[in-house]
This record gives sequence, C-alpha cells and structure tokens, in this order.
Amino acid sequence: DTEVTQTPKHLVMGMTNKKSLKCEQHMGHRAMYWYKQKAKKPPELMFVYSYEKLSINESVPSRFSPECPNSSLLNLHLHALQPEDSALYLCASSRKENTEAFFGQGTRLTVV
Amino acid sequence: KQEVTQIPAALSVPEGENLVLNCSFTDSAIYNLQWFRQDPGKGLTSLLLIQSSQREQTSGRLNASLDKSSGRSTLYIAASQPGDSATYLCAVYNQGGKLIFGQGTELSVKP
Repeated sequence: DTEVTQTPKHLVMGMTNKKSLKCEQHMGHRAMYWYKQKAKKPPELMFVYSYEKLSINESVPSRFSPECPNSSLLNLHLHALQPEDSALYLCASSRKENTEAFFGQGTRLTVV
Repeated sequence: KQEVTQIPAALSVPEGENLVLNCSFTDSAIYNLQWFRQDPGKGLTSLLLIQSSQREQTSGRLNASLDKSSGRSTLYIAASQPGDSATYLCAVYNQGGKLIFGQGTELSVKP
C-alpha cells in the first residue's frame, strides 16, 4: 500500500472561514510534507514534519498552521485566507527525510 | 541555492516514438533524484527514484539516468502511447528533506 489519502478533494471557503485539510498514510512513514501548487507551476514546499516534529517551515504565512497529531496524520489548518491562496494543496510522505516521496491526490482549494 | 531546469517545456510526438526528457540541476550535492508524472488537476505519481550512488533505474518502458558530476538526469520513454500524455516532473532531494522541483515537461502523445 503506497497510498496517501487527502480529504477533502475540493474545498471552497470564504476569507473569514476556518477550515482544515487532512492527510493520512499507513505506510509507517516518519516524514510528512505539505506542498502548494499553482496552475502550470511545480509544487512548492511549505512544511516538513520529521518524527512528528516540524523540521522545515518555508516562511509560510501564519494563516496556514500545520499539525501532526501522530505519525499517520497531518493536518493543515486554514484561517483568514486570501484569494491568492487558491491552489492545489498536496501532501506527501516518505520513510524518512530524503527517501522516496509518495504524494496524495491533493485538495483543490478555492478562496472566495 | 539549488535550481532544477527541465527541457523541453512541452513536447508533442506521434504514438510509438521513443523520447527523452531532460533535467539539470545546479548543485551536485544531492541525495536522490525522483521523476514524477502528473495528470491535469491530480496529484503526483512516482515513476522512478535514483539514489545518488546509482547511474540509472528502469521500470517497464521507462529508463532514468543520473550523472551527478555534470548535474544531469534524463528520462527515456520507449514506444510512447497516448496514455503517457501528462506533465513529467523531475525533483532533487537536498539536505534537510527539501524536494526541489523543475518546471516540468508537458508531454502530448498523438494517436
């Protein structure tokens, strides 16, 4: 099983809303990642968790708040987003840092 | 700062052709290199991972090579099919778990 599951698949939210994206894997991976991808662009790294601890924050605005409750689950809490935050948000996991990464199908986020 | 470049940006070929996608990177101190496929609006599918100590990897009709010293990798697709149409992304692993992507090559295989 090399599956990374992301929910929801689509999300439309207003600029004053609070919502969360969820990512789950059951491969025993200890590194998990959030990426943001705009149309026709490559994915851009947002956060890296290694052994449930935040190891990299790529200067992401505080309106994005990651959380890793356990080794299988990664959340991204969203609050007071802007329309320019509309994008495909991808979660990935790997056995540890710098090993083969497996990506989920993404959450298509639209901020209105 | 690591930069990854993919050439060409787009490629259109007739079905059955063999083709090569190119990837170059500026910093040869990489851990691994991974090729992905992405269909429109979808997530990334891992195709091949080449460890820094390896020269190539093969999976079915795909063959990827790595030359760390020159900062280059190629993805060879044999006997292309319409189902191969997608964007192909090359990514290198830098220190600290950062996966740095190229801009991708958009491939169209015409029946």
